[in-house]
Amino acid sequence: DAGVIQSPRHEVTEMGQEVTLRCKPISGHNSLFWYRQTMMRGLELLIYFNNNVPIDDSGMPEDRFSAKMPNASFSTLKIQPSEPRDSAVYFCASSFLDSTDTQYFGPGTRLTVL
Amino acid sequence: TQLLEQSPQFLSIQEGENLTVYCNSSSVFSSLQWYRQEPGEGPVLLVTVVTGGEVKKLKRLTFQFGDARKDSSLHITAAQPGDTGLYLCAGVDNAGNMLTFGGGTRLMVKP
Repeated sequence: DAGVIQSPRHEVTEMGQEVTLRCKPISGHNSLFWYRQTMMRGLELLIYFNNNVPIDDSGMPEDRFSAKMPNASFSTLKIQPSEPRDSAVYFCASSFLDSTDTQYFGPGTRLTVL
Repeated sequence: TQLLEQSPQFLSIQEGENLTVYCNSSSVFSSLQWYRQEPGEGPVLLVTVVTGGEVKKLKRLTFQFGDARKDSSLHITAAQPGDTGLYLCAGVDNAGNMLTFGGGTRLMVKP
């Protein structure tokens, strides 16, 4: 079975550009999470969806970040405009039930903003 | 807001040595999970503990949940280079709040 799929795996962009990260959760999972990981701050939850509805977006840094889940099999995380401090590895994870359930992580997208 | 503190943050040991890493909080957890993240990959679940005092073994890895369900430890016997990675604990508190991750212990096992 395919796990969580993320694209692209690597993204290098210039400051001010729009960046879109994509995620396909495991089929049948009802919850989806976006995380950001850096050496300094560790793994930070950005937003959590349940049944395609955003439940907790308190971790979204600022208005430059937005996330959507138009259907059960696809989600995007958009940064516009991007800044160098957004450089990090962004993970998408899904779980069968809810936010207390085991999470299955994708391979991540390594974003570098120059 | 619960806070999970992991220690040590970094650990570098030789192959064959034993080690223990810790996950501590002032909150009581209904369950606690341990994940391992290898370089270039996402975290992968190793084990879930739910009962105070519970001990689970996974080959050379031994996981223990504290009696009061506020802390947990991971002991690795005869570490191997393949154990290298970031070990993350994550807990769900008694209020049923969402899974929260600790800062992780970064382990390097040198051959």
